[in-house]
Order: sequence, then C-alpha cells, then structure tokens
Amino acid sequence: AQKVTQAQTEISVVEKEDVTLDCVYETRDTTYYLFWYKQPPSGELVFLIRRNSFDEQNEISGRYSWNFQKSTSSFNFTITASQVVDSAVYFCALSEGLNYGGSQGNLIFGKGTKLSVKP
Amino acid sequence: SQTIHQWPATLVQPVGSPLSLECTVEGTSNPNLYWYRQAAGRGLQLLFYSVGIGQISSEVPQNLSASRPQDRQFILSSKKLLLSDSGFYLCAWSLGGAFEQYFGPGTRLTVT
Repeated sequence: AQKVTQAQTEISVVEKEDVTLDCVYETRDTTYYLFWYKQPPSGELVFLIRRNSFDEQNEISGRYSWNFQKSTSSFNFTITASQVVDSAVYFCALSEGLNYGGSQGNLIFGKGTKLSVKP
Repeated sequence: SQTIHQWPATLVQPVGSPLSLECTVEGTSNPNLYWYRQAAGRGLQLLFYSVGIGQISSEVPQNLSASRPQDRQFILSSKKLLLSDSGFYLCAWSLGGAFEQYFGPGTRLTVT
C-alpha cells in the first residue's frame, strides 16, 4: 500500500543553520511522482517541487535542494542557510502512476514537519 | 496564468445546518479538481476528485457530497453538518494525474 512517512514532527533551528526534512515513501508502482509542499501560517499549500520516479537526479533551487534515492525510498529536502520566512509546515506527498487504475493523481500526504526558524 | 479561488474564507455553522463551499479555477480548461480536508494535527485527507463535468469520485464515506456543474467549478456540500466536519477545506486543481496540484487559499469551517 502507498504511504508517506515524515518522522520529524517538529524541528527548530536558528537562522542561517542548514536543515534537512526527511521523507520516506512506500509504493507498489514502478512509476510514481513525489512532491514537496510548504504550508505557511496563512494555510495555503504552496507547491515546491515534483520529481518523477525515473529521474533520480538531485535538484537545487536557490537555498532549497532535494535528494531523491530510490534505493532507500527517500526524498529528502534540505534548506541551506535557513531564514525566518522558511518557518512553515512542510509536506511530502506521493502520487502513484495509473497502473493500478484511476488514481488520477491523487496525492497521499505525509503528516508534515513543522519547521520553526528563530532569529 | 492560472488562479484558484475559494469562498468563503471562514465559516461558523451550527450542527445540522447545510453547507456549500465553492471553488473556481481560472486560466485553464478541463482541469482535474480535488477537495481535501485538513483536521487538527495537520494531515490532509482527500475527500473528492473530479476529472470532468459531472464526474465525481469519492475517497471516503461521509455526509459530504461534491458536484462539478461547470468545467472549472467545484462545489462541496452537506445537508446536515456534524461536529466532526470542522476543519480546513482545500480545493486544488491539476492538469492530470502526473502533474502537481495547485491549492486554493482554503476555507476554515467551524461547526458549533
């Protein structure tokens, strides 16, 4: 069965520290998609990144980087030189391919990691 | 560019009253549409999704229903609210199953 685990419930860091948010997933499908979303205190979920299962290349976008490792079923997210504006709840999500019928891209979310960055 | 609207932003309703939440998307055609609920504790639960007008799939049994009367309009309804319906309701759209979903600002519902 599909599942996303974010073992870190809350993380607190001081500004300028690096922080890594862990995400481990389970899926029976060979084609799947992984996502990270940010939910600031306002509540709206903001899309950060999508990764296809057949593309294990890591990605960097400014202070954000993502490490996808199929061998360990992990898709970790690192924020370098964290800032107060990074404070939010971060969700990892999984969408399986359509091999098992009609999922239509439904996202399975982890329970989220609340990141607090203190000045 | 595409935008997604939800209203109302907040709602306080008594138990047993009806509910209607509306979501509209601009700037795209034939999107997949989704309703999620986020209860206390932060987990997001998919309630309904739709791949076209009049096509609704339900993920969990409950006293809620959804309708898609127009291509870019998605409505979440209830005839009689329960206390357990309280939560943060999020609407989302995507171009299809392989694509990311974009979320609206959400409706915070409190059932008293």
